[in-house]
Amino acid sequence: LAKTTQPISMDSYEGQEVNITCSHNNIATNDYITWYQQFPSQGPRFIIQGYKTKVTNEVASLFIPADRKSSTLSLPRVSLSDTAVYYCLVGEPGTASKLTFGTGTRLQVTL
Amino acid sequence: NAGVTQTPKFRVLKTGQSMTLLCAQDMNHEYMYWYRQDPGMGLRLIHYSVGEGTTAKGEVPDGYNVSRLKKQNFLLGLESAAPSQTSVYFCASSSWTSGRYTGELFFGEGSRLTVL
Repeated sequence: LAKTTQPISMDSYEGQEVNITCSHNNIATNDYITWYQQFPSQGPRFIIQGYKTKVTNEVASLFIPADRKSSTLSLPRVSLSDTAVYYCLVGEPGTASKLTFGTGTRLQVTL
Repeated sequence: NAGVTQTPKFRVLKTGQSMTLLCAQDMNHEYMYWYRQDPGMGLRLIHYSVGEGTTAKGEVPDGYNVSRLKKQNFLLGLESAAPSQTSVYFCASSSWTSGRYTGELFFGEGSRLTVL
């Protein structure tokens, strides 16, 4: 299983761009990188997934360097409602049995 | 389209009692999972199923049993509850083609269990 390392917590002001980096040095060839967001008292919610280079959707961007040993989730212009825990998962897609949720990164957005 | 539904949402048990958590999904997903989440920790996989009639152990299976008699339902049982099983339990489902991305997990709202 690919082990991931993320910062435990981050603070940001509303309107700023937030970048959360995940380290996954032993990522395997078939592994994808997936990020989930979890609000208090709710189940995690899928944000974005990528294999290499850059992926962008309506809520975030995911930057993956050529060696794929790390990845960065970028949240543009965060708001108070982006306060949540963000999890980086690395593994083969399709079945989550080999994916591990670490402790995630707790993002606190304030005015 | 309800997605993933968990029942009950809250339950208080006494040590030694038994109970079953029910997870139902209406997305025709092949895979279903039970996780537990303790304060300050991420989600840990208890058991999972890759199809109707199949189950497998995850990271922390001891003290739990599961069954998947129907594709849409995944039951998590505690035969003799212990205080260490006080936690929030999440069910999730997925398939190779679920969501816009491969293997996207869809989670329920969680079931908060307290064992006294």
